[in-house]
Amino acid sequence: EVQLVESGGTLVQSGGSLSLSCAASQFNFRGYSMSWIRQAPGKGLEWVSYIGSSGSPIYYADSVKGRFTLSRDNAKNSLNLQMNSLRDDDTAVYYCARRSDYYLYFDNWGPGTLVTVSS
Amino acid sequence: QTVVTQEPSFSVSPGGTVTLTCGLTSGSVSATSYPSWYQQIPGQAPRTLIYNANIRSSGVPDRYSGSILDNKAVLTITGAQADDESDFYCVLYMGSGIWVFGAGTRVTVL
Repeated sequence: EVQLVESGGTLVQSGGSLSLSCAASQFNFRGYSMSWIRQAPGKGLEWVSYIGSSGSPIYYADSVKGRFTLSRDNAKNSLNLQMNSLRDDDTAVYYCARRSDYYLYFDNWGPGTLVTVSS
Repeated sequence: QTVVTQEPSFSVSPGGTVTLTCGLTSGSVSATSYPSWYQQIPGQAPRTLIYNANIRSSGVPDRYSGSILDNKAVLTITGAQADDESDFYCVLYMGSGIWVFGAGTRVTVL
């Protein structure tokens, strides 16, 4: 069974930085592209970023472009989201999701990690 | 900026049928939008229901079906059950590596 486990979520001050990780197991991680998707408290889902299986291409939502950096380490089966210049509206549960390259959908999700940005 | 539209809420009686739609404020949903649907119980991670507009994900009951109709993606729940009460999200591929989720539809079974 595919496993995705996010970590790194915590309380951080507005303007600060935080790094989230996603540990992947039980599948060939280097063969899949991945995404981060977030959900603000009481709100809907928002796609954040995408990375191809080999580390490129990388895409970002306009709301995080220039502030967030997505990377992956295929040797360690891990995905990393570096978040800088955090704002109050970045407060959300952040989900790591595997993306099917054939049908372009998110076929497996982690349980999420909560990031709270407080001014 | 194009927005993905979904009905905010629907109520359905047990055993009834409900049809949720997923559209665009500008343009039409097509196969190249690769529409997919996700179910989310509050407090839990989303669960994949439908992908490529009409393919059920593994383990999803056949009371869930998807299609593209009148330029929108459609999710139909036939024979609604109490455990269908949840939030449903669609997401569309906009091209250039960008996905956009709809705001979600809350379905109540009563």
